[in-house]
Amino acid sequence: SQQGEEDPQALSIQEGENATMNCSYKTSINNLQWYRQNSGRGLVHLILIRSNEREKHSGRLRVTLDTSKKSSSLLITASRAADTASYFCAGAGSYQLTFGKGTKLSVIP
Amino acid sequence: EAGVVQSPRYKIIEKKQPVAFWCNPISGHNTLYWYLQNLGQGPELLIRYENEEAVDDSQLPKDRFSAERLKGVDSTLKIQPAELGDSAVYLCASSSQSRTGGQETQYFGPGTRLLVL
Repeated sequence: SQQGEEDPQALSIQEGENATMNCSYKTSINNLQWYRQNSGRGLVHLILIRSNEREKHSGRLRVTLDTSKKSSSLLITASRAADTASYFCAGAGSYQLTFGKGTKLSVIP
Repeated sequence: EAGVVQSPRYKIIEKKQPVAFWCNPISGHNTLYWYLQNLGQGPELLIRYENEEAVDDSQLPKDRFSAERLKGVDSTLKIQPAELGDSAVYLCASSSQSRTGGQETQYFGPGTRLLVL
């Protein structure tokens, strides 16, 4: 079963714009992680936010976490064509990650 | 540092045939995972190993799927016999042991894309 659900399922933006993806999860988590997957490739870890954190930054990425609403958001600023990929959130329980269905982001040059 | 290695990258077989996938995790990572990813979906855990012990195989269809991790390093995942519905990407991931008991970052291999005809 999927833990998280990303919203929107697909997003298309122009290069240079910001992209925001949302994630909702169902059960308690120790942390929430975001991964990127380019077509035909494995997943690449982007950022991890712990349950006692509310916001985290890494380069052009900004992640927020609201444990009361069981939701998270991923913001990619100044998007690039190379950011085109699927983005997955994953709720981390004890020793297990449970992934959502992903948001497919297309950045148009 | 070498990443997670998987082979083969692609496999096409006829239904009812056996198939095996191989994974070599990142050196020093004692936790190894096998995931199944269907088209347009996120990965779903099949089995998790801590060293050579399968500590979570609740999602592994044991009638046709089996896995092993001899010596706590490389792992193989086998399907016998394969069915049409097994067509998917099989991902292997590894992680180092968590100090806090929570779930740390996982590092994924490129996956094996299986097509069952």
